[in-house]
Amino acid sequence: NAGVTQTPKFQVLKTGQSMTLQCAQDMNHEYMSWYRQDPGMGLRLIHYSVGAGITDQGEVPNGYNVSRSTTEDFPLRLLSAAPSQTSVYFCASREGGGPVETQYFGPGTRLLVL
Amino acid sequence: EDQVTQSPEALRLQEGESSSLNCSYTVSGLRGLFWYRQDPGKGPEFLFTLYSAGEEKEKERLKATLTKKESFLHITAPKPEDSATYLCAVQALGNNNDMRFGAGTRLTVKP
Repeated sequence: NAGVTQTPKFQVLKTGQSMTLQCAQDMNHEYMSWYRQDPGMGLRLIHYSVGAGITDQGEVPNGYNVSRSTTEDFPLRLLSAAPSQTSVYFCASREGGGPVETQYFGPGTRLLVL
Repeated sequence: EDQVTQSPEALRLQEGESSSLNCSYTVSGLRGLFWYRQDPGKGPEFLFTLYSAGEEKEKERLKATLTKKESFLHITAPKPEDSATYLCAVQALGNNNDMRFGAGTRLTVKP
């Protein structure tokens, strides 16, 4: 089991560029989430999915899009990157119906927007 | 609005020097309070869930306690491998998919 994998590990973008952060899990988990972590602040939920084809917004969804076409993958899209999106992004997954605290986190993607 | 405040921001200890990390919270009906460990360059790793005031959980040198307003993570006789950032989070009743995280306490244990 690879668990939750994220690519790339590090990315530099220019303002206005677009990119997709990849997240995959091999545990057949129904629930997947995206968080961002900024210095001096706690992790904040961006978007989450409770199953293939179902997504919903979290606390800070603006500027980000998601889709869930398969159980395994949950990509996060930045359509027009802004410096405020400089952050570390974590993907997480858990079993459907499982308590939220048991979710497994990926290793993160560090994004720098210039 | 749910809030979590952790203190101190950073803590340096000598190996064997016991101490406590604090997590103060406000939440509209607590479903659970959670502690995580996060190593540099990695995602958070789940440690404990506490559900009600008075509850305690232990794991090796770590002991988590809970009151109606705060939680403490006590570290007894820490070792250098305990060095990490410790995160606290709360989940409100009726909110199945989100937690409110604190900013964390960065713990360094010197040999």
